[in-house]
Amino acid sequence: SAVISQKPSRDICQRGTSLTIQCQVDSQVTMMFWYRQQPGQSLTLIATANQGSEATYESGFVIDKFPISRPNLTFSTLTVSNMSPEDSSIYLCSVVWNVRETQYFGPGTRLLVL
Amino acid sequence: DQQVKQNSPSLSVQEGRISILNCDYTNSMFDYFLWYKKYPAEGPTFLISISSIKDKNEDGRFTVFLNKSAKHLSLHIVPSQPGDSAVYFCAATLSGSARQLTFGSGTQLTVLP
Repeated sequence: SAVISQKPSRDICQRGTSLTIQCQVDSQVTMMFWYRQQPGQSLTLIATANQGSEATYESGFVIDKFPISRPNLTFSTLTVSNMSPEDSSIYLCSVVWNVRETQYFGPGTRLLVL
Repeated sequence: DQQVKQNSPSLSVQEGRISILNCDYTNSMFDYFLWYKKYPAEGPTFLISISSIKDKNEDGRFTVFLNKSAKHLSLHIVPSQPGDSAVYFCAATLSGSARQLTFGSGTQLTVLP
């Protein structure tokens, strides 16, 4: 089965800084998504990462705060900008392959903002 | 407004018995439903899914039932094993939504040896 990896796996950051999270898949995928899971809560979709064009953001999420890139069919990045303690969450990427409709998730990035 | 609800935050079951996890939804446009299992410090792992044209799907120890009229689905695990202890999320997608998932809040299942 294909492998989905995320870097970093965890980080502790200072307020006001930015962190870029990478998602790498070892085979080409049709779609890539970014989710957030805040402490004690469910997973919330941030955006759909579109290859070669701007990401599609869900209500409540904006490009200035969460810029996303997807330069090819196997890689995407999510940046959490100007971080505050409220951004402390697990950030997860997920993918959909061509012939499957099920989303598969990466291991997640645990972010703590002090 | 939570469109997918898991009203039981936790469930404890004895090893070997049946675990039943429940999920309700409000949006009648949802056409595909999934269950994920999540261990601490890991991403969610896909378990089983069901299309809205079916009312049951079975895979080994896991069976998902869908009652469209009640907007309710459930996951049955038989027999339950200690390794099944995890948080279980149900999720749903809208018709034509390119598979963006709406998740429930999760149920922590503990299987006691």
